[in-house]
Amino acid sequence: EAGVTQFPSHSVIEKGQTVTLRCDPISGHDNLYWYRRVMGKEIKFLLHFVKESKQDESGMPNNRFLAERTGGTYSTLKVQPAELEDSGVYFCASSQFRKGTTEAFFGQGTRLTVV
Amino acid sequence: DQQVKQNSPSLSVQEGRISILNCDYTNSMFDYFLWYKKYPAEGPTFLISISSIKDKNEDGRFTVFLNKSAKHLSLHIVPSQPGDSAVYFCAALRSGTYKYIFGTGTRLKVLA
Repeated sequence: EAGVTQFPSHSVIEKGQTVTLRCDPISGHDNLYWYRRVMGKEIKFLLHFVKESKQDESGMPNNRFLAERTGGTYSTLKVQPAELEDSGVYFCASSQFRKGTTEAFFGQGTRLTVV
Repeated sequence: DQQVKQNSPSLSVQEGRISILNCDYTNSMFDYFLWYKKYPAEGPTFLISISSIKDKNEDGRFTVFLNKSAKHLSLHIVPSQPGDSAVYFCAALRSGTYKYIFGTGTRLKVLA
């Protein structure tokens, strides 16, 4: 079974440019999450999809961030325009509703550097 | 305001000895706790979890203890192995929200 995959693994962009991150969850997982880790800090929640619906986007920093999950499969996270403070590692995770288990499975992350 | 705290940024332990990683939380509404392990350039990997109705959960060399009155949990690794060297994240969950709240992580180094 394929795990959560993220693309690209690294991205270096200039301030003001646009970047789109992609996440392919584990097949059949209804829950999809985006998280971000700024160097040395906690892994911070950004948002949560159930299928194609946004359940909780309370962690999205501002309206420069746009997440979509068309058709309830893969998801994209677009940052437009990127600012220096957007640098960090962006993790995607997925999970399935199943009684007795709530762990989420993470992708390898996309390291975003805004210069 | 950080709801899940890991106050030790790093820990070094000799191979074969016990590693104890600690985590404190402030929100009494959390009812599920998880530990994740993270190697460099990889995503966090689920290790072990515990429900708030229990005070201990064991899986091989890994045991998680939960002290609800102190809002504290700990991960014990016995015996520690060099391959356990990684960053360990504590996470908490309030059922019905599916919003994992993570700590800042503790870097464990197991010395051969």
